[in-house]
Amino acid sequence: AQTVTQSQPEMSVQEAETVTLSCTYDTSESNYYLFWYKQPPSRQMILVIRQEAYKQQNATENRFSVNFQKAAKSFSLKISDSQLGDTAMYFCAFKMGRGSEKLVFGKGTKLTVNP
Amino acid sequence: GAVVSQHPSRVICKSGTSVKIECRSLDFQATTMFWYRQFPKQSLMLMATSNEGSKATYEQGVEKDKFLINHASLTLSTLTVTSAHPEDSSFYICSARTGFDEQYFGPGTRLTVT
Repeated sequence: AQTVTQSQPEMSVQEAETVTLSCTYDTSESNYYLFWYKQPPSRQMILVIRQEAYKQQNATENRFSVNFQKAAKSFSLKISDSQLGDTAMYFCAFKMGRGSEKLVFGKGTKLTVNP
Repeated sequence: GAVVSQHPSRVICKSGTSVKIECRSLDFQATTMFWYRQFPKQSLMLMATSNEGSKATYEQGVEKDKFLINHASLTLSTLTVTSAHPEDSSFYICSARTGFDEQYFGPGTRLTVT
């Protein structure tokens, strides 16, 4: 079974600085998708970024980027120029690509951006 | 973007009663919907996957007779918690899938059983 591990339960960063959240996963599959979701205090899950395993290029979305290391099964999220609105729980998630629909979530990292 | 709504956002019910939670995809047709449960300060736990017009597939350990899921149309799925007990109190989140691999999440429903 696939597992997703987020080893940092909590992190904090100063406003405008950069922070990296870690995520590792375990799978024997070669075709899969990885996601980072943000859950602010409102509890609404928001997709931050996604990465297809077959793509070597790291995904980026404005201030958010990932470092995808397929061989190491690592998928870290870098947030640049942190903003107060980035304060939230961040969940790393995995989905197999062969028609499977199930998302497997990590336990989450609580990020606090301090002014 | 794709929007998923849930109703109600909060519900309080007495022990032994049943409560229904609705999940709607507002601007797209969702062939598959998912129901998650989230305890405080924890991750999302998938309860079941439902496809329109067929029976839901429940995850191991989830009581199908207690958590009834009906995916009646391509835009509506319902979760009914039957004979609710205080331990069923939780945050329930639905998501809907469109296309190949993206899930859109609803805002969640906080259930409190007294």
